[in-house]
Amino acid sequence: EVQLLESGGGLVQPGGSLRLSCAASGFSFSSYAMSWVRQAPGKGLEWVSAIGGHDDGSTYYADSVKGRFTISRDNSKDTLYLQMNSLSAEDTAVYYCAGNGDFVQGYFDYWGQGTLVTVSS
Amino acid sequence: QSVLTQAPSASGTPGQRVTISCSGSSSNIGNNYVYWYQHFPGTAPKLLTYRNDQRPSGVPDRFSGSKSGTSASLAISGLRSEDEADYYCAVWDDSLSGWVFGGGTRLTVL
Repeated sequence: EVQLLESGGGLVQPGGSLRLSCAASGFSFSSYAMSWVRQAPGKGLEWVSAIGGHDDGSTYYADSVKGRFTISRDNSKDTLYLQMNSLSAEDTAVYYCAGNGDFVQGYFDYWGQGTLVTVSS
Repeated sequence: QSVLTQAPSASGTPGQRVTISCSGSSSNIGNNYVYWYQHFPGTAPKLLTYRNDQRPSGVPDRFSGSKSGTSASLAISGLRSEDEADYYCAVWDDSLSGWVFGGGTRLTVL
């Protein structure tokens, strides 16, 4: 059974940092491109970032997070990460990790249940 | 404002057929596959259609996707109360080098 389990969410002050993790199981994580998608309260889904699989370390970012967020992966631990810096209230959202298959342009076929990030003083 | 345009709401009565539209441009819908997701807030989104008009196993054939030029649609026939949810189109955008979602359409079953 495929599982994606996000962790690391919580309350952080504006300007602060947080690192999200997504532990994967039930599929060949190292060969899978992965993404982070978020949903702010009362808003729609927004793609945040993606990273290639199959030893392709290419990374992609939405303009809204470019320069502040960094996506990475540790294939030895089957874990995806999202380092979030310079956080603002606009980053408050539920963050989902999702699998994209062989390529980052592949559709989101696996999803986690999400972790809530709240940016507030 | 989303790169992909969806009406914020749609409604229908049980048994009816409703269509949700998604409008984009040549850099996204015009040149790539469209995907549709059903989402109940707080849960993982569910893939309804992929590669414009394909349906994953387990998705009822009441759900069908289509694409023409720079627009796409999701049709739901035989509307049921459990179809009341948010629906999103998603496409890779070549100009942005990233994924774009429509703003979402909240479907209400009257």
